[in-house]
Amino acid sequence: EVQLLESGGGLVQPGGSLRLSCAASGFTFSNYVMSWVRQAPGKGLEWVSTIADSAGFTFYAESVRGRFTLSRDNSKNTLSLQMNSLRAEDTAVYYCARTPYSGSYHFDSWGQGTLVIVSS
Amino acid sequence: SYVLTQPPSVSVAPGKTATITCGGENIGRKNVHWYQQKPGQAPVVAISYDSGRPSGIPERFSGSNSGNTATLTISRVEAGDEADYYCQVWDTGSFVSFGGGTKLTVL
Repeated sequence: EVQLLESGGGLVQPGGSLRLSCAASGFTFSNYVMSWVRQAPGKGLEWVSTIADSAGFTFYAESVRGRFTLSRDNSKNTLSLQMNSLRAEDTAVYYCARTPYSGSYHFDSWGQGTLVIVSS
Repeated sequence: SYVLTQPPSVSVAPGKTATITCGGENIGRKNVHWYQQKPGQAPVVAISYDSGRPSGIPERFSGSNSGNTATLTISRVEAGDEADYYCQVWDTGSFVSFGGGTKLTVL
């Protein structure tokens, strides 16, 4: 069974930093592209970032580019999102998602999410 | 960025058919994926690659995609289908785009 367990969320002041982690199990982590998707309170889904299976490429949404860094450790089956210069509008539940490719990328498995609140 | 437009809400009586649309320029040329999200839960894939139904999704769920509109159809709607539904595409320009979501209410 595919399992994705996010951690690292919490309350942080504007301008601060936070590091989210996602522990993967139940599948061969190194074979899959992985992503983060977020959802602000009461709002829709917003794609944040995607990283290749080999970490050979990463993509970022324009709203986070230059502030967030996505990385992975295939030896530990772990995905990490380093978030710097946080803003109030980054407040959201952050989901880790497996992102298989077969002509298109989509999100076939999701974690339960971790809540990030950016507030003074 | 590639814009996907969904109606904010759709209401349907139990046993009837719900139709949720997702509009985008030439969306018929792209693969569309649909997600169901119930309150307090993570999204799950309802339909992938326009009309593929993952294991565990009832046959009542179907999808189509042509021209400028993709459609999620839920037949014989049940109370348990009440949820938010999102369409999503991958585009080489904007990478991933989500629609704004549609709240399905079962009357």
